[in-house]
Amino acid sequence: TQLLEQSPQFLSIQEGENLTVYCNSSSVFSSLQWYRQEPGEGPVLLVTVVTGGEVKKLKRLTFQFGDARKDSSLHITAAQPGDTGLYLCAGARYGGATNKLIFGTGTLLAVQP
Amino acid sequence: NAGVMQNPRHLVRRRGQEARLRCSPVKGHSHVYWYRQLPEEGLKFMVYLQKENIIDESGMPKERFSAEFPKEGPSILRIQQVVRGDSAAYFCASSSGGGNIQYFGAGTRLSVL
Repeated sequence: TQLLEQSPQFLSIQEGENLTVYCNSSSVFSSLQWYRQEPGEGPVLLVTVVTGGEVKKLKRLTFQFGDARKDSSLHITAAQPGDTGLYLCAGARYGGATNKLIFGTGTLLAVQP
Repeated sequence: NAGVMQNPRHLVRRRGQEARLRCSPVKGHSHVYWYRQLPEEGLKFMVYLQKENIIDESGMPKERFSAEFPKEGPSILRIQQVVRGDSAAYFCASSSGGGNIQYFGAGTRLSVL
C-alpha cells in the first residue's frame, strides 16, 4: 500500500517558470523529508520539516508541512536546468522500534533551457 | 569526511548465484537502513539494523534475503539464489541515532541475467 502520493508524476517546464510539487497522505508523520535524486545516484536530502504548518526556504525552494502533518509541498521559483531531477518526499514515524522512511511515488522534473 | 559508501556500484549475477552488497555507514553512525528501488517503482524500505541487531525487517522478502551489521566492518545485504525480479538498485542509508536524518549512499545496481 502506497501511503504517500506525489503529484504531478512528471513535469517539464521552461527555465524561469515556477512550479509546485505535492506530497499527500492519509497518515500522520513525525517528520517529512524531501530528497532529490539524480540518475545513477542516491537520494540527497534537501530539507526536513517537523512541525505542522512549518515553512522552510532553501534559496529558490520553499517547503511546507501541512498543519495536520499529513501532507507537504515543494515550490520552486524561477526554475533552473540544474533543478532537473527526481524529487522524493519521505515520511518518518518515530517511536517504537522502527525508524523507516516511507517514500512517495516521486516527481520527475525536467527544466528546459 | 566520507559519506555512506556502497560497493560494488554495479553487480551482475546469473540466476541462482549469490549477491553480496556492502555498506559502510557515515563514520560514527550506528544505524543502517536498506532500501530497494525497483524499475518504475519508488524506494521501498527493507530492513533497519543497529550494530549486531536487526531492529525491523518488515520489508525484507521472507526467503533468500538476509542482512547483517557486525560489530566490526560494513553492513551486508545478502541475496541467495538470485532471480530476475531481484534486479534493482539497492540503497543503504545511515543515521547517528534512531529518528535522526538518514544519509544515503550512491547505491548498488544489481542486474540478474
